[in-house]
Amino acid sequence: GQQVMQIPQYQHVQEGEDFTTYCNSSTTLSNIQWYKQRPGGHPVFLIQLVKSGEVKKQKRLTFQFGEAKKNSSLHITATQTTDVGTYFCAVANAGGTSYGKLTFGQGTILTVHP
Amino acid sequence: NAGVTQTPKFQVLKTGQSMTLQCAQDMNHNSMYWYRQDPGMGLRLIYYSASEGTTDKGEVPNGYNVSRLNKREFSLRLESAAPSQTSVYFCASSERDNTEAFFGQGTRLTVV
Repeated sequence: GQQVMQIPQYQHVQEGEDFTTYCNSSTTLSNIQWYKQRPGGHPVFLIQLVKSGEVKKQKRLTFQFGEAKKNSSLHITATQTTDVGTYFCAVANAGGTSYGKLTFGQGTILTVHP
Repeated sequence: NAGVTQTPKFQVLKTGQSMTLQCAQDMNHNSMYWYRQDPGMGLRLIYYSASEGTTDKGEVPNGYNVSRLNKREFSLRLESAAPSQTSVYFCASSERDNTEAFFGQGTRLTVV
């Protein structure tokens, strides 16, 4: 099935520093989704990217989809303690018998030190 | 709207016991999913259902069975629990493929 590799696995930052997590695929993706999971919570949808080269912003969060639609990134500017959690990318397998299955990357655990 | 509701929230089983995790959504979604989450492993798909009456295996289906009897409910059954099935289980739903997924609160299962 289609898989995505997500790096880094862990990231520790001081409050106010920036943070970036990356997702990479060996195959072209139809779209990619991003989720956030707070400690002890459940994943919550952040955004979906569909177009090649797409860039979307949500306040301090910037999401990018690569030109070849094989990679994506989530960048947080000036982290705050409320940004703590695990960030996941997710892709829905397209075609064949795997159509529609939503597969998640391994996630990046973000810790923010005040 | 309640969204996606999972029961129970916590469960302790002895090895070899069986149990069913229940999941229901009230958003009229077509697609439903069961995931397990283990430290360092992210979310791994166990089973997936694109619509009522259809199910498909995910990445880690061994030891599990599922049932999608109607559009609202998607249950996960462990026939003979093993310690390796100790995990946090999440149910999710989406309107259709390639759309935003909504997650339940999770079930923390311990098999001793």
